[in-house]
Amino acid sequence: GIQVEQSPPDLILQEGANSTLRCNFSDSVNNLQWFHQNPWGQLINLFYIPSGTKQNGRLSATTVATERYSLLYISSSQTTDSGVYFCAVFNYGQNFVFGPGTRLSVLP
Amino acid sequence: GAVVSQHPSWVICKSGTSVKIECRSLDFQATTMFWYRQFPKQSLMLMATSNEGSKATYEQGVEKDKFLINHASLTLSTLTVTSAHPEDSSFYICSARTSPVSSYEQYFGPGTRLTVT
Repeated sequence: GIQVEQSPPDLILQEGANSTLRCNFSDSVNNLQWFHQNPWGQLINLFYIPSGTKQNGRLSATTVATERYSLLYISSSQTTDSGVYFCAVFNYGQNFVFGPGTRLSVLP
Repeated sequence: GAVVSQHPSWVICKSGTSVKIECRSLDFQATTMFWYRQFPKQSLMLMATSNEGSKATYEQGVEKDKFLINHASLTLSTLTVTSAHPEDSSFYICSARTSPVSSYEQYFGPGTRLTVT
C-alpha cells in the first residue's frame, strides 16, 4: 500500500516565525488532505488539495502530484497553531492513509 | 461546512462492560463512515469502514465481534466496544464522507476518549 512520510516529526517555533511542513507519498494519489489536530484531539480540515496551491489566511498548501509531495506553509505562527499536523492520502476504492504527523509547538 | 458529532466525548467504564459511541453527520448525509483509533502520540489507525445499510468492513487485526459497528441511517453510525478491557482504552474518532462520487473529502468528529478501569 501507499506509504506516507512527514517531516519534521517535531518542530518548536517562536511566535511569529514561519514554517514549512512536508508530506511525501510513495505512489500517485487521487486525494490529499491536511489536518490540524488540536490539543483536545479534534481534527480540523485545513486543505483538500490533490494538486496545485491553495491559501487560507496564514496557511497555504502546495501539492506537486507528479513528484509525490505536498507542503504546508504556516506564516506568522501563533500559539493556537500548536498541535499535530497530519497529511492523509487517498485513492479511489481505497481508504485514507495517514502520515505519522508533525508535532508543532509554538512558544509565546 | 460539514459537521460530524460524537457522543459521548469521554467515558469511563469498568472492565467487562460494553460501551456504545455514536457518530452523527449533522448537516449532510454520509454514505460512508469510518472509525479510527488513536493511541497517545501516534497517528490514526483505521479500524473499520461502514456503509449505510451494509455490514462494516474491518481492517486486518480488528476483532469484529469486539468492536460492533452499526450504520443504521445516512446520518448515524455506532461503535460498541463489547466486554471492554483496559487495553481498549484509547481515543476513538469517527469520520464521514458525503458521496463516493462527487467528493472524497472526509470530515472528522471530535473524538471519544475511552478509559477502561
